[in-house]
Amino acid sequence: DIQMTQSPSSLSASVGDRVTITCQASQDINNYLNWYQQKPGKTPKLLIYDASNLETGVPSRFSGSGSGTDFTFTISSLQPEDIGTYYCQQYHYLPPITFGQGTRLEIQ
Amino acid sequence: EVQLVESGGGLVQPGGSLRLSCAASGFTFSTYDMHWVRQATGKGLEWVSAIGTSGDPYYPGSVKGRFTISRENAKNSLYLQLNSLRAGDTAIYYCARYSSRRGALDVWGKGTTVTVSS
Repeated sequence: DIQMTQSPSSLSASVGDRVTITCQASQDINNYLNWYQQKPGKTPKLLIYDASNLETGVPSRFSGSGSGTDFTFTISSLQPEDIGTYYCQQYHYLPPITFGQGTRLEIQ
Repeated sequence: EVQLVESGGGLVQPGGSLRLSCAASGFTFSTYDMHWVRQATGKGLEWVSAIGTSGDPYYPGSVKGRFTISRENAKNSLYLQLNSLRAGDTAIYYCARYSSRRGALDVWGKGTTVTVSS
């Protein structure tokens, strides 16, 4: 099975900061990579699909890039409502769907 | 409104069984693959099972042989039969719709909690 490794596992940043999370796949997954946001006590929400496509209704401060084994998720200007945990997920080799271990984002 | 509503969770003893249900509405249920994902308290997301539109089931090794996924398109319903439950199965269980266009779980339910404890 493909392993997805996210880093960092947690981070603290200030409102307005640029925040970057990375996700590395154990094998080439082309661009078959999605990003989810899970706010505290809430259900996961799809933010980005196919590595760089913004889901409908998602603010443009969120973006994604990458291909192959290395991917990046960026929040261009952190807002207070962005706190939560972010997960990457691959779908190149199914099953299984594989998630990264998550990155917990806090506001300083 | 597109919606998924899980039910059937509860407290069960080790070795026991539960049947989870997921009621879908607002979309053509029969045309989507459906998944179950679980999350233990304070932990990450773990894929539990999937079922294709034709009824083909898929499981990770951790639950294969113990969990059974099924669907009833006429009732817009997804099910997960959990047998031989262990403490490690304690989690919130989410039902999710799979968008093949995006390769993503684009609609999630609020989850139902399964607690395995004596």
